[in-house]
Amino acid sequence: NAGVIQTPRHKVTGKGQEATLWCEPISGHSAVFWYRQTIVQGLEFLTYFRNQAPIDDSGMPKERFSAQMPNQSHSTLKIQSTQPQDSAVYLCASSDWGEYEQYFGPGTRLTVL
Amino acid sequence: AQSVTQPDARVTVSEGASLQLRCKYSYFGTPYLFWYVQYPRQGLQLLLKYYPGDPVVQGVNGFEAEFSKSNSSFHLRKASVHWSDWAVYFCAVSPDGGKLTFGDGTVLTVKP
Repeated sequence: NAGVIQTPRHKVTGKGQEATLWCEPISGHSAVFWYRQTIVQGLEFLTYFRNQAPIDDSGMPKERFSAQMPNQSHSTLKIQSTQPQDSAVYLCASSDWGEYEQYFGPGTRLTVL
Repeated sequence: AQSVTQPDARVTVSEGASLQLRCKYSYFGTPYLFWYVQYPRQGLQLLLKYYPGDPVVQGVNGFEAEFSKSNSSFHLRKASVHWSDWAVYFCAVSPDGGKLTFGDGTVLTVKP
């Protein structure tokens, strides 16, 4: 079991560029979650999918952020026109059906210059 | 909406001493509660989980936590701290298996 895989581990973009972050959940897990971690705001929920369907996107910024789960083996978080305030560690987690605990990947550190 | 408060931003203990990290939650109903640990530049690792039942739950590496409905608390304990426990600890609540709401974290420093 390789755990949750996130790529890339580090990403540097210029202001206004697009960033796409990838997450591969633990094989067989039915839910995928995205969180953002910053020093100021701490750990914030963004969105989650269950069985590939979007369930709750209440934490997603209304503009520029989108997430997809095209198949059960990966999810993407896309940030258009990145801004310096988007700089953060983006964490992906997955959980198994009927289980409430979430298993986290190592995160992607996004730096917007 | 649920919330979590970790009142101690930093805790320092001597190696071999006992440890308690405090967590208070706010949720109307029966919560599912978790403690996670984060080592430098790593993701979150699950230490233990509480599902309604026995109020004392055991986790990995000698950690345990006790749920108290009357105090709305879920404090983490360890009898003897090791230098490798130096990390940031997060308490989290989930009402229904969906999103986790985290506290601000407690930085644990271990003195030799």
